[in-house]
Amino acid sequence: AQKITQTQPGMFVQEKEAVTLDCTYDTSDPSYGLFWYKQPSSGEMIFLIYQGSYDQQNATEGRYSLNFQKARKSANLVISASQLGDSAMYFCAMREPLYNNNDMRFGAGTRLTVKP
Amino acid sequence: ETGVTQTPRHLVMGMTNKKSLKCEQHLGHNAMYWYKQSAKKPLELMFVYNFKEQTENNSVPSRFSPECPNSSHLFLHLHTLQPEDSALYLCASSQDRAGNTEAFFGQGTRLTVV
Repeated sequence: AQKITQTQPGMFVQEKEAVTLDCTYDTSDPSYGLFWYKQPSSGEMIFLIYQGSYDQQNATEGRYSLNFQKARKSANLVISASQLGDSAMYFCAMREPLYNNNDMRFGAGTRLTVKP
Repeated sequence: ETGVTQTPRHLVMGMTNKKSLKCEQHLGHNAMYWYKQSAKKPLELMFVYNFKEQTENNSVPSRFSPECPNSSHLFLHLHTLQPEDSALYLCASSQDRAGNTEAFFGQGTRLTVV
């Protein structure tokens, strides 16, 4: 069963505006890690941001922040001040030590298009 | 430059051919992975090597055969593939398999089986 759900196949955002990409997950493991990756058309997966299940604060990395709502099991990615170069596929991923040996599993992805 | 290099970048092969995909990392990582990315499907984890030992084989058909001769190199040997095996094959590595460890990916090999 798919444990990571990204409900938005595609999203559009105007340049310089903020956008939120949704990710929900399902796990019974009390300890887990959540990741976001960007995949441009070149194919390479680029690591963006990490959130640990025990982290008290939301992770931030430059223009990227993670809106972590543990009770709702959601880990949405917020990109502020969108740029044309942000157009890409975005994937949410999770590591679970107990159920998946901590191997990274991915959601289906969201294609983000930034409009000039 | 991500530190993980995959060759070739593109490969077209017939169903009776034998070919190999190569992955190389010089990041000092101990875990390496093969993922398959097909259109409209999530990335599928195929194989995991940890300290050169295979630890996962997620029900992958035997026409895919991994090899990890040392901690820096990972191969995926292909033989008698099917057209549905056409996909982007991504190699990744991570320092270890801890829950907070990000994986670094190569640019992938775009495989087309004809």
